[in-house]
Amino acid sequence: NAGVTQTPKFRVLKTGQSMTLLCAQDMNHEYMYWYRQDPGMGLRLIHYSVGEGTTAKGEVPDGYNVSRLKKQNFLLGLESAAPSQTSVYFCASSGDTPYEQYFGPGTRLTVT
Amino acid sequence: AQSVTQLGSHVSVSEGALVLLRCNYSSSVPPYLFWYVQYPNQGLQLLLKYTTGATLVKGINGFEAEFKKSETSFHLTKPSAHMSDAAEYFCAVSPFSGGYNKLIFGAGTRLAVHP
Repeated sequence: NAGVTQTPKFRVLKTGQSMTLLCAQDMNHEYMYWYRQDPGMGLRLIHYSVGEGTTAKGEVPDGYNVSRLKKQNFLLGLESAAPSQTSVYFCASSGDTPYEQYFGPGTRLTVT
Repeated sequence: AQSVTQLGSHVSVSEGALVLLRCNYSSSVPPYLFWYVQYPNQGLQLLLKYTTGATLVKGINGFEAEFKKSETSFHLTKPSAHMSDAAEYFCAVSPFSGGYNKLIFGAGTRLAVHP
């Protein structure tokens, strides 16, 4: 099993550009999450999903959109990137042990 | 609102020395508690967790943590540090809200191990 994978690993955007980050999991997990990690702030939840076709806002949702059309995939979109969105983005999933989350390797995004 | 405080953003120990990473939480009810480790350029990996039962929990790589309700603490320890323990460690709580599996993370503690 690959676990949780994220695409791409690195990306540089100019202010105002858009992009989509893809998260995929092969563990048949119901729950999926998107976090951002910034120095000295730990991980903060952006959006999450409790099942296929559902999404909900987390702690810092502004400027991001998500979709979960298939159970195994969770997409994070930035419609108009801003320098404040420079961060490392982590996807996670959880299943029958609901409080145990499995993390992907991260995507490092720089917005100039 | 629940929160997690990790005392010390950087901790440095000698190889073979005791590792102690501190975590305190604020919660109106006893939450579920976790320690995650992040090695350089990798995602987070679960070290150990406390949900119910025995308050001293053992995790991978020789780490353990004790849930102390009276002190609202969940400190992480390892008797003897190894060079491979150098990483960033995150304490997290999951307040039982009956809803989704929310995790609230502390800011992290970077552990350095020197010879």
